[in-house]
Amino acid sequence: NAGVTQTPKFQVLKTGQSMTLQCAQDMNHEYMSWYRQDPGMGLRLIHYSVGAGITDQGEVPNGYNVSRSTTEDFPLRLLSAAPSQTSVYFCASSPGGAQPQHFGDGTRLSIL
Amino acid sequence: EDKVVQSPLSLVVHEGDTVTLNCSYEVTNFRSLLWYKQEKKAPTFLFMLTSSGIEKKSGRLSSILDKKELFSILNITATQTGDSAVYLCAVGWGGSEKLVFGKGTKLTVNP
Repeated sequence: NAGVTQTPKFQVLKTGQSMTLQCAQDMNHEYMSWYRQDPGMGLRLIHYSVGAGITDQGEVPNGYNVSRSTTEDFPLRLLSAAPSQTSVYFCASSPGGAQPQHFGDGTRLSIL
Repeated sequence: EDKVVQSPLSLVVHEGDTVTLNCSYEVTNFRSLLWYKQEKKAPTFLFMLTSSGIEKKSGRLSSILDKKELFSILNITATQTGDSAVYLCAVGWGGSEKLVFGKGTKLTVNP
């Protein structure tokens, strides 16, 4: 059981570069979400999706885009990376119906 | 303002001690409260609480919810070094699947 798989695990970018963080789940979960975790800040919701073709903004969406073309995949795009986006990014999924979310191992992103 | 507040933010104990971690919340249309344990990587699910006064238990860990006073506690008895982690509290509300997280409590258990 792979669960929630995030790639890459680590990435260093220069300011202004763009990149996509990948997230895939093999549990046929409808709900998927992206969080960022910064020291002393807990997990903050960036974007989420309740099913293929449906996405919405979370608490801190600026500078990020998402799409959900399939149930399995939910990529997060940084359009023009800024040092303030240096963080650990977690993807999570759940079957919906207020069930617990399952997390991937995270992507540690540094922007210089 | 913060909707989910955890205390203490940091705690250091010795093996064998019992610890109590706190989580208070303020949301409209409360649905559920969840506890997660985070070691080096992904948060892992511990408990989900939806009803007041019903204790959830798993080994040395237990948790209870008070919906009147808007808080939950997570108890760990006979702590071990493997319990060292950040413990996260999250709250769901309304018809949404979204969760709002507290800042976490960092627990360190020394031998």
